[in-house]
Amino acid sequence: ELKVEQNPLFLSMQEGKNYTIYCNYSTTSDRLYWYRQDPGKSLESLFVLLSNGAVKQEGRLMASLDTKARLSTLHITAAVHDLSATYFCAVDSPLRTSYGKLTFGQGTILTVHP
Amino acid sequence: ETGVTQTPRHLVMGMTNKKSLKCEQHLGHNAMYWYKQSAKKPLELMFVYSLEERVENNSVPSRFSPECPNSSHLFLHLHTLQPEDSALYLCASSQATYSLASSYNEQFFGPGTRLTVL
Repeated sequence: ELKVEQNPLFLSMQEGKNYTIYCNYSTTSDRLYWYRQDPGKSLESLFVLLSNGAVKQEGRLMASLDTKARLSTLHITAAVHDLSATYFCAVDSPLRTSYGKLTFGQGTILTVHP
Repeated sequence: ETGVTQTPRHLVMGMTNKKSLKCEQHLGHNAMYWYKQSAKKPLELMFVYSLEERVENNSVPSRFSPECPNSSHLFLHLHTLQPEDSALYLCASSQATYSLASSYNEQFFGPGTRLTVL
């Protein structure tokens, strides 16, 4: 059974600071997704990481994947208040199918304050 | 309408009621999903339909009954629910994308239905 663990679960950051959210998973997979969820809203896709060493960047967020370590990171650079949200990583089953079978982490609740 | 839509957005029901949640995707995808998001657990995959056929059923109690009449619509029929079934129910859709090196199924989510069972 695939298990996905995120840490930290709660992150309180000052504006302008940097921090990293970690996502560890238990079985081999080379497809990992990061999502953002604002309070009362649905999940918004941020990044799709498809291979070992994959790195994607969008604005102040950068995600990477190390399939050998079974680890993905979401790095936040110079945080701003607008980044306050819950961030989820999700790992797809290693089986190649025409649909996804995602296992989600618990989510990291990020709060950015002045 | 664009993306993935869900109705109703909020639902309050008694334990003896029967109700249905509706999901519609306007993305031309061929797979649809139901997830449950409750306060103290990670997002849980409930059902997957691929090409209108149910391909995953993750040990979901029979009081939840999915239906996928076509590739754009997905329903979740509810009956004799329990208070612990109160949660946010999210629908998602995806289309398999293939490249030389890999394939993936990026899922796009609807806004969810906030269900309260009294």
